Amino acid sequence: QQQVKQSPQSLIVQKGGISIINCAYENTAFDYFPWYQQFPGKGPALLIAIRPDVSEKKEGRFTISFNKSAKQFSLHIMDSQPGDSATYFCAATYQGAQKLVFGQGTRLTINP
Amino acid sequence: IAGITQAPTSQILAAGRRMTLRCTQDMRHNAMYWYRQDLGLGLRLIHYSNTAGTTGKGEVPDGYSVSRANTDDFPLTLASAVPSQTSVYFCASSKEAGALGELFFGEGSRLTVL
Repeated sequence: QQQVKQSPQSLIVQKGGISIINCAYENTAFDYFPWYQQFPGKGPALLIAIRPDVSEKKEGRFTISFNKSAKQFSLHIMDSQPGDSATYFCAATYQGAQKLVFGQGTRLTINP
Repeated sequence: IAGITQAPTSQILAAGRRMTLRCTQDMRHNAMYWYRQDLGLGLRLIHYSNTAGTTGKGEVPDGYSVSRANTDDFPLTLASAVPSQTSVYFCASSKEAGALGELFFGEGSRLTVL
């Protein structure tokens, strides 16, 4: 019940296209859903996060869509650029939890 | 530059040897964490510390120990390394305990156990 399932494991998108990464969870207590971005040789860094009181959050080209009833959330990268090539992790947690539960990660490659 | 410093960057270690991964932060964050990253498994929490003097077990604590003698340092020790501990290890911190705050990660320590 603590798992967050992320797909796909890897994704190749052409420059200018839309990248979509999906995550699903079981624990209905989760109420905070961040996404982390990791470049090769670096540690992950917070990209964007959402709480379930909204269905969508947008920051520049990055959008989180949240479907509470389906217990799913996704990251959309519009107008994908080669500089977006990285590994993306979704995560989930709740107030009072000791940890973030991370998804398995998606390696995104944007072809020029 | 403020942040988290991990050492060593990479290490090859014989099975059975003892190894300590060092982690230092200069952001005066209360909480610190150790994660391991393995392909297809994501990031898994090994141990955490909500404040200096306290530690707790994460998802995969077996074979690892930590200490938190002060705010800035959070070393991870492998008492007797085994090949399954081959991984990339990340230290992280957050301003406060609990999981709702932003985590700041170091650049990782790549450990190979032969």
